[in-house]
Amino acid sequence: EVQLVQSGAVVKKPGESLRISCQASGYSFSTYWIAWVRQMPGKGLEWMGIIYPGDSDTRYSPSFEGQVTISVDKSISTASLQWTSLKASDTANYYCVRDNNDYGYDFWGQGTLVTVSS
Amino acid sequence: QSVLTQPPSASGTPGQRVTISCSGSSSNIGRNYVFWYQQLPGTAPKLLIYRNTERPSGVPDRFSGSQSGTSASLAITGLRPGDEADYYCAVWDDSLRGVVFAGGTKLTVL
Repeated sequence: EVQLVQSGAVVKKPGESLRISCQASGYSFSTYWIAWVRQMPGKGLEWMGIIYPGDSDTRYSPSFEGQVTISVDKSISTASLQWTSLKASDTANYYCVRDNNDYGYDFWGQGTLVTVSS
Repeated sequence: QSVLTQPPSASGTPGQRVTISCSGSSSNIGRNYVFWYQQLPGTAPKLLIYRNTERPSGVPDRFSGSQSGTSASLAITGLRPGDEADYYCAVWDDSLRGVVFAGGTKLTVL
């Protein structure tokens, strides 16, 4: 059974750093792209970027380029999303999702709620 | 402001047919597959339609997708209270070199 299990909700202060994770199981991790999607409170879905675990090839949405870092550790089938200096506007639910090419984003993590508040 | 446009809301009564439109351009819907996602309240999104018209295993045939030119639509027949959710279309945009989601449509079953 394919599963993407994300790390738990966090509360951080502005300026702090953060890494959230997404552990995959039930399929060949290296052969499917993993995307990250943001959902701010009460708002829609926003595509942040995508990474191919096989060779760590990474693409970012222009809106998120330079704001976050997407990485992967193949040895533990885990993708990560990282911030070096959080802002209040980073408060959102973040989803990782498997990209099955023309078959769509077929398996989603449960989401990680990040709250940034002083 | 997304490059894809959906109506912010839609509604219908049980048993009715509802359609949700998704308007784009030649750099996205005009040349790439459209996908539809359903997000029930408090849950992660779920894939509803892929490759414009295909349904993943387990998605009822009450849900159907279509695409023509630079627009796409999601149709739901036999509306049920459990269909109350947010619906999003998504597509790869060649100009932006990334996936774009529309703003989403909140479906209310009256």
